[in-house]
Formats: sequence, structure tokens, C-alpha cells
Amino acid sequence: DSGVTQTPKHLITATGQRVTLRCSPRSGDLSVYWYQQSLDQGLQFLIQYYNGEERAKGNILERFSAQQFPDLHSELNLSSLELGDSALYFCASSASTSGGAISYNEQFFGPGTRLTVL
Amino acid sequence: AQTVTQSQPEMSVQEAETVTLSCTYDTSENNYYLFWYKQPPSRQMILVIRQEAYKQQNATENRFSVNFQKAAKSFSLKISDSQLGDTAMYFCAATFPQGAQKLVFGQGTRLTINP
Repeated sequence: DSGVTQTPKHLITATGQRVTLRCSPRSGDLSVYWYQQSLDQGLQFLIQYYNGEERAKGNILERFSAQQFPDLHSELNLSSLELGDSALYFCASSASTSGGAISYNEQFFGPGTRLTVL
Repeated sequence: AQTVTQSQPEMSVQEAETVTLSCTYDTSENNYYLFWYKQPPSRQMILVIRQEAYKQQNATENRFSVNFQKAAKSFSLKISDSQLGDTAMYFCAATFPQGAQKLVFGQGTRLTINP
């Protein structure tokens, strides 16, 4: 158990709908990362938040958005869903984000949310 | 662009054998971190081993070791005395600490350990 929780575990919805995925980071972790794992695109970084603020963006569609709340939990909102959005969505957390050249804080992954769009 | 490539989609070995998974990467940065993650059928992402680019010594974690060749931008994972529980997808990943620390993943290698 990594200490990162994600809800729901599974989500089945229809095209055109909107869903919200939730992530609670490990206690004390300030950074939250969202990743998408799909058959077509593999594992790719979507977005990162640090202490409530957006820190970095990856290959995140405009239909997707995220936020991190004062209690540090994060939500990933997916709207106007398409069949191709079906994937496993991971959240990861780390202690902090550093701009130093030689430092890294391990990312701990949650169990993921399996999204199926029909 | 920083990329990570795994050229072996699938591998299969017998239990107790040694297996090596390959990974190459491309970056112009000098300081970075490399990882191998294991994803068993449960889909949980599990960190197996990590290597700091500024360290010349290859990382080792029990039966898992890496061969890090910085000049060749190669980072292979060796699993010794393989066990049935090693059956999983293995992802090579890299992160570059300048700024955000997002992980860049390879395509994955599906490893099967046969009894």
C-alpha cells in the first residue's frame, strides 16, 4: 500500500459525459501528479500540482482539467468523453518538487481508476 | 524532447534464469534519474530500482541490478534467479529534476516467468 488513494476504482460511462476522478496523496506530500495509461498512448504524464498550484502540464487535452484543494487532495475532471479516453488514470504523490539539479522525491502511485467510455 | 525507448515488447524465461530488459533514452541534460517500475496484473505501479545519472556505480536491489551506460544512454535491468512473482509489465522511466519532475515512460516490456 503506497498510501495514495484513488476513487472510484472503476468508472463506466457514456460518450459525451463528464466524470471526476479523485486522489488523496500520502500524508504530508505536497505534489500530486496525474498520469494516463492507455493502449494507444502508453503511460503519459498529464499534469502536476504542488501545494494547490499547477506546476507542469503534459499531454493533457483541453477537455480535461484538474485542481488541488487546500487539504491537498486532487481531482481530475474529464468532460465530453470520447471512446479514446478509456484508460487507467493514475495519481502519484511526492514530498515536494524541487528545482535543484541534484534532487528527486520519489513518486508513490495510487492504485488507479479504470475509466471505460461506452 | 526527452524520450525513453524499450525495444522488447515481450520476453519469456524459465524460473531461476537471469533475464535482462533493455532501455535507451534521449536527453541533452546532464543530471537526471532513471527508474524501472513493475506493473503486475493488479496494475499497481511498483518502483523496482532507481539510478542517479551522476553516480557511476550501478544500482542494486537484491535480485535486481542495472547496467547504466551514460555515454550510450542505455539503462538495462537484470533480474537474477527469476521468480514466478516477477511476471509483470516492466517500464523504464526517466525524470529530469530541473523544474517539474514528471516521469517519462517507455512503452513497457511484458515479462513472463515460466515454471
